[in-house]
Amino acid sequence: DTGVSQDPRHKITKRGQNVTFRCDPISEHNRLYWYRQTLGQGPEFLTYFQNEAQLEKSRLLSDRFSAERPKGSFSTLEIQRTEQGDSAMYLCASSWSSGANVLTFGAGSRLTVL
Amino acid sequence: AQSVTQPDIHITVSEGASLELRCNYSYGATPYLFWYVQSPGQGLQLLLKYFSGDTLVQGIKGFEAEFKRSQSSFNLRKPSVHWSDAAEYFCAVGEIGGAQKLVFGQGTRLTINP
Repeated sequence: DTGVSQDPRHKITKRGQNVTFRCDPISEHNRLYWYRQTLGQGPEFLTYFQNEAQLEKSRLLSDRFSAERPKGSFSTLEIQRTEQGDSAMYLCASSWSSGANVLTFGAGSRLTVL
Repeated sequence: AQSVTQPDIHITVSEGASLELRCNYSYGATPYLFWYVQSPGQGLQLLLKYFSGDTLVQGIKGFEAEFKRSQSSFNLRKPSVHWSDAAEYFCAVGEIGGAQKLVFGQGTRLTINP
């Protein structure tokens, strides 16, 4: 068990560019979550998958954001036409769907939009 | 809707002193409650959780928390802090059933004086 891995750890981009983050969850977990954390705030829920199905999206997830989990394993979060307000830490977590689950978080991908 | 309030944005204690971090939640039923810790630039590590049963729960690194239903609180305590405890601490409430996504408080930044 190597935990939840996220790549890249840091991304600096110019406004208007597209960026993509990848998350590899714990292999036995069937749920995968994306959260966003801005400076000085707690993480906020963006979306989650159960296997390959995206079951819920937050209103925070604008049309410029898209997440996929094509084979029910790793997931990608793409942000199109980035804005300075997108600068944040993007956290991925995974868990079981049954019982009282506990989310295991990755180290996060920090995005800076210039 | 669920919500979590951590009244203290920043707390400073001396090494060896006791610690209590406050957390109040709003939820329609008995919630799942969590404390996570985040070191600078890192993801979140689970300290402890409450699902049911004994209202005093023990966690890692010598932390404990007490669930008080009458006060809608889940305060985190440690009898004697170490310099390595300096970090950001987040309280979170989780759904029972459904997406089981977490709602986080704003966090409390802990500074340790030598």
